[in-house]
Amino acid sequence: NAGVTQTPKFRVLKTGQSMTLLCAQDMNHEYMYWYRQDPGMGLRLIHYSVGEGTTAKGEVPDGYNVSRLKKQNFLLGLESAAPSQTSVYFCASSYRLGGQRYYEQYFGPGTRLTVT
Amino acid sequence: GENVEQHPSTLSVQEGDSAVIKCTYSDSASNYFPWYKQELGKRPQLIIDIRSNVGEKKDQRIAVTLNKTAKHFSLHITETQPEDSAVYFCAAYEEPEIRLIFGQGTELSVKP
Repeated sequence: NAGVTQTPKFRVLKTGQSMTLLCAQDMNHEYMYWYRQDPGMGLRLIHYSVGEGTTAKGEVPDGYNVSRLKKQNFLLGLESAAPSQTSVYFCASSYRLGGQRYYEQYFGPGTRLTVT
Repeated sequence: GENVEQHPSTLSVQEGDSAVIKCTYSDSASNYFPWYKQELGKRPQLIIDIRSNVGEKKDQRIAVTLNKTAKHFSLHITETQPEDSAVYFCAAYEEPEIRLIFGQGTELSVKP
């Protein structure tokens, strides 16, 4: 049971390049989230998904796109990277049991992205 | 939408002292308030949480209190140890969106 994993761990991009970050979870969780973490800003929600095939915008969605084609995977895409997207990106997942939502979020190890 | 404010941004205490971190939230409909600890270079991990039908919850040296009327909640760490040094985040659960809104974080330093 690997929990929540993220690929890659580190990446350096040049302005204008594109890339996709992969989040995978093996806990059969319904809900998945992408955050970015910047010094002094806490964890800010980019996009999230409440189920396979569904996505929704969070607090800071501009410049990012997401897809949830499979329940266990949540992809975060940067179409044209900008220096302002330099950050640490965390994926998280949470679950429900029957009709009860369990709110604890399990985080992945993070991806450190630098855009030059 | 929900907005969470966290204070202080940095906190330095001597080993053995107590530490208190406070958060306020804006949406009176929020009903779940977790606290996460993040050590340097690591992922955030849940350390304690509280639901709106409870005023206080304890787990060994840590406790959380909730005042729904005033819309604030606090983390209390007693008998602090150097391994408590980390960044602590509070959060409030926003319904019906099914998402957490985090505070800005508090960097706690426990000096031996």
